[in-house]
Formats: sequence, structure tokens, C-alpha cells
Amino acid sequence: DGGITQSPKYLFRKEGQNVTLSCEQNLNHDAMYWYRQDPGQGLRLIYYSQIVNDFQKGDIAEGYSVSREKKESFPLTVTSAQKNPTAFYLCASSWGPNSPLHFGNGTRLTVT
Amino acid sequence: RKEVEQDPGPFNVPEGATVAFNCTYSNSASQSFFWYRQDCRKEPKLLMSVYSSGNEDGRFTAQLNRASQYISLLIRDSKLSDSATYLCVVRYNAGNMLTFGGGTRLMVKP
Repeated sequence: DGGITQSPKYLFRKEGQNVTLSCEQNLNHDAMYWYRQDPGQGLRLIYYSQIVNDFQKGDIAEGYSVSREKKESFPLTVTSAQKNPTAFYLCASSWGPNSPLHFGNGTRLTVT
Repeated sequence: RKEVEQDPGPFNVPEGATVAFNCTYSNSASQSFFWYRQDCRKEPKLLMSVYSSGNEDGRFTAQLNRASQYISLLIRDSKLSDSATYLCVVRYNAGNMLTFGGGTRLMVKP
């Protein structure tokens, strides 16, 4: 079945460590996105990529980095510069500008 | 003012009731509109796209009012399984950016 896979589902890290969240899709979608959701709040865009080897900052890119070396993969690194990294991270993909997003099942990151 | 605003609720309704949510958006250049459903601690899932002429999918009806810059979602004959948070999503064509509302929480009681 086609879909988006995020791993791991839960991730625990110590403050000061970088951590990379995986996102893989086999939907052949061009565009991929990373969102962050905090308890009781809406989704906020971190980074997005409309095509391989290209990506753009979203509203809250500081402290994060991404790469898009392959169409299927869009990993997100949460760096030690991110002041409040504990959150629910959601990866999504879409065909193009007017098509809806398909989400992965998310990664819950806890940094202590 | 937030770009996409929703009443956070919760809306507490009995089974079988009809309930409606609105979502207002500030950018008149908005082009695409969607409703997503999010269950507790899960990812959002597409409920329906919203078309200019309005559209219906079973018990769910979505409407768009460009003049007043809002979209609505109507749920008829509410089921217990409809309990979730409903997210309004607006896309502005420039830059292909999507903006999410904060969500409206619905609780359907027996």
C-alpha cells in the first residue's frame, strides 16, 4: 500500500543532542512538508520541498534542517539550537499546488 | 489577527444532532480549502476538499463563502465516532503555502 512512513513513533533525547526524524513516501509525490504540533495547538510549517534538491523555510525553521536528496525521502534534523524541541512532528506530502496533504503517523519527540 | 481562525470549542452535542463549524481566513487570495479530521494523538486525515459551489459527502457538507471569507462544515446525524478535532486548511497559491487553523474540538455524547 502507498503511504508515508515516519520513524520512530516515539523518540527521547537529552538536551544538546541533534536528532534526525525520518520520513519516507512511496506515493510518488513531488512535494513534502514538515509540521510541528504542540499540545492543543494547530500545525506550524517548519520546512517544505516542492522538488528534489530544493527546499524552503516555513514559519518556524530556526533550529531545524532538512535535505531532499531523493524524491521519496525528506528527513528532518532537530538541532541543539532549537529552544523548545519537545513536540509532535508530522511529515506530509502532496501531488502539487492544489492537492491535499497526506500525513505520516507522526513522531513524538521528547527532549529532557 | 490569525490567518486562519477557528472556534476551539469544545462543541458538546448529543448523538443524532446537527452541528456546524465555521473557519475564517484573512487572505482574500486563498485558493484551496480543506477540512481535516484529527483524532487524539494521531495524524490529521483529509475529510473533504471544499469547492466553490459547496459539496457534500454523506453526512458532511462543506461550503465556501468568498465574500465573507469563511468556510463551513456541517455534520448531520452526529455519531459517537465523529468525536475529534476538525482542522480547517487554506492554501495560498503564491509559494504553495498551507495554513492550518487551530482546530475545533467536537465531542458527541450518547
